Amino acid sequence: RKEVEQDPGPFNVPEGATVAFNCTYSNSASQSFFWYRQDCRKEPKLLMSVYSSGNEDGRFTAQLNRASQYISLLIRDSKLSDSATYLCVVNADFNKFYFGSGTKLNVKP
Amino acid sequence: ETGVTQTPRHLVMGMTNKKSLKCEQHLGHNAMYWYKQSAKKPLELMFVYSLEERVENNSVPSRFSPECPNSSHLFLHLHTLQPEDSALYLCASSRNQGAGYEQYFGPGTRLTVT
Repeated sequence: RKEVEQDPGPFNVPEGATVAFNCTYSNSASQSFFWYRQDCRKEPKLLMSVYSSGNEDGRFTAQLNRASQYISLLIRDSKLSDSATYLCVVNADFNKFYFGSGTKLNVKP
Repeated sequence: ETGVTQTPRHLVMGMTNKKSLKCEQHLGHNAMYWYKQSAKKPLELMFVYSLEERVENNSVPSRFSPECPNSSHLFLHLHTLQPEDSALYLCASSRNQGAGYEQYFGPGTRLTVT
């Protein structure tokens, strides 16, 4: 079983739409969680950390559900520039960071 | 952004060659990481260094040899690689090792083994 699972997509949405991604993780002892975005042939860039109480950064909202072992990312008012692959990252042990395969988002005009 | 730099950006090498990848971070971080990203696969953590000491080696073949001479520099020495080692090699750093510390990535070295 994979440590981190994501729906690969692609999610094709029009500009202005709201879109949500989920990511499930297998290790209940996981301690920290992040969302990164990766543009084609570029490095991953940190989008936001995910806190237990949930957190929001502009149009982006991240939630953590420990009971069901998933994290989510909600993007409101999608922009063309939001088109990218979104990577879920889980820190399951002190030095072990597990990346999901990513969810591809295409925002269309 | 120049927080984490990597050279070279692209590398083509034969299976008998020896080459090195270089990473430098300008963020004052204490931990550095090497990752491998193959096509259609998630990033795989290879090595973790904290304060120049290797603290994690994720069952990586010995043909990959890391070196961390100081907390700002990280190398990955390559020798007798296989074609399946072709991938994007990403370096990252974080303030400290362990849970809760966000990692910042360099642009990567795209390696092709012929």
